[in-house]
Amino acid sequence: GALVYQYPRRTICKSGTSMRMECQAVGFQATSVAWYRQSPQKTFELIALSTVNSAIKYEQNFTQEKFPISHPNLSFSSMTVLNAYLEDRGLYLCGASLRAEQFFGPGTRLTVL
Amino acid sequence: QQQVRQSPQSLTVWEGETAILNCSYEDSTFNYFPWYQQFPGEGPALLISISSVSDKKEDGRFTIFFNKREKKLSLHITDSQPGDSATYFCAASVRTGGADRLTFGKGTQLIIQP
Repeated sequence: GALVYQYPRRTICKSGTSMRMECQAVGFQATSVAWYRQSPQKTFELIALSTVNSAIKYEQNFTQEKFPISHPNLSFSSMTVLNAYLEDRGLYLCGASLRAEQFFGPGTRLTVL
Repeated sequence: QQQVRQSPQSLTVWEGETAILNCSYEDSTFNYFPWYQQFPGEGPALLISISSVSDKKEDGRFTIFFNKREKKLSLHITDSQPGDSATYFCAASVRTGGADRLTFGKGTQLIIQP
């Protein structure tokens, strides 16, 4: 089956610092990777959509300067939350697509102190 | 404007009954509708999906009914089990063969009483 790993599962950072999270598709080559943030109220926000060999497209309210993404190959993607503040807390989910079906990892839960 | 709406926000049914979760959408270009199941502390897991060319999709105890004209769909869970207790998200996208941008509803929290 399609598995998506995310690392770390949980992280705590001080306000104003940065943290990097990783996503890996196992057992398949993802055609695209989407990064979402799920709020404590469980609503989803799409941060950016990434396909190999194409420009990463960021959604409104999210920028490359704040959430730089690296997607060097079909199995791996990483995203950094720069200069994190309280409003950046949440569960960051990576969705890797295979034949237009999107599979999610367990998420990286970010707590900002 | 919320593109994908789900109701009810919370639903409790007895074990063995059928749970019905509703979803509606605004954008008529949406043509692919996956449902995700999420347990506390975990990421959403793809449960079942349907494309707009079908009006029904069945997988075991899970069935999607789709009404394109009314832009509504529903997920039916028959013979509900306590292990089905989770939050269910309806999502929608325009399937173009390229990158998939899912729009999620706010979820229905399902509780199955034994």
